[in-house]
Amino acid sequence: EVQLVESGGDLVMPGGSLRLSCVVSGLTFSEAWVNWVRRAPGKGLEWVGLIKGKTYGGTVDLAAPVKGRFTISRDVSKSTVYLQMNSLTTEDTGVYYCGTDFGWGGGDYWGQGTLVTVSS
Amino acid sequence: DIQMTQSPSSLSASVGDRITITCRASQDIGNELCWYQLKPGKAPKRLIYAASSLQSGVPSRFSGSGSGTEFTLTISSLQPEDFAPYYCLQHNNFPRTFGQGTKLEIK
Repeated sequence: EVQLVESGGDLVMPGGSLRLSCVVSGLTFSEAWVNWVRRAPGKGLEWVGLIKGKTYGGTVDLAAPVKGRFTISRDVSKSTVYLQMNSLTTEDTGVYYCGTDFGWGGGDYWGQGTLVTVSS
Repeated sequence: DIQMTQSPSSLSASVGDRITITCRASQDIGNELCWYQLKPGKAPKRLIYAASSLQSGVPSRFSGSGSGTEFTLTISSLQPEDFAPYYCLQHNNFPRTFGQGTKLEIK
């Protein structure tokens, strides 16, 4: 069974940093494409970024609002994908979800979401 | 960036109604489009992938169609649990982009 479990959400002050974790099980982790998506309060879904699988070089793509502030990485030994968030602003407040690749015919799997609140 | 224009932004309907939501892409995305349902406190739920493939476990009253730049999500007979926001998403190019969403409400 494929499972994704997120953690790391917290209350942080503007300008601060936070690292979210997404532990993935039930599939070949090194080849999994993992997306991060967020939902701000009262707003729609927003794509944050993606880390590709090893065959595709493990490259990372990020949305413009977070480029230069957020990074995504992978630790194969821990089957974990990380979303490192720096220089946080109130606009980054929301629930963050990690999930498998959008178009993957193997299924649709998401974490339970983790809340990030950026406030002074 | 590819813009996804979703309409309508809100829709009031009754149980048993047939409804259609449309997404238009600003450029050709082939069939690389998904539809998601979002409920409070829950992760997004993929209903349709590859524009018209029904996600396993999703009721057959949901269907998707289209290719290129025009896509539709149809719910053939609304059930009480279907009243929720819906989003399209293109994954043809980076950045991935969602439509603005359609809030489906009970009339």
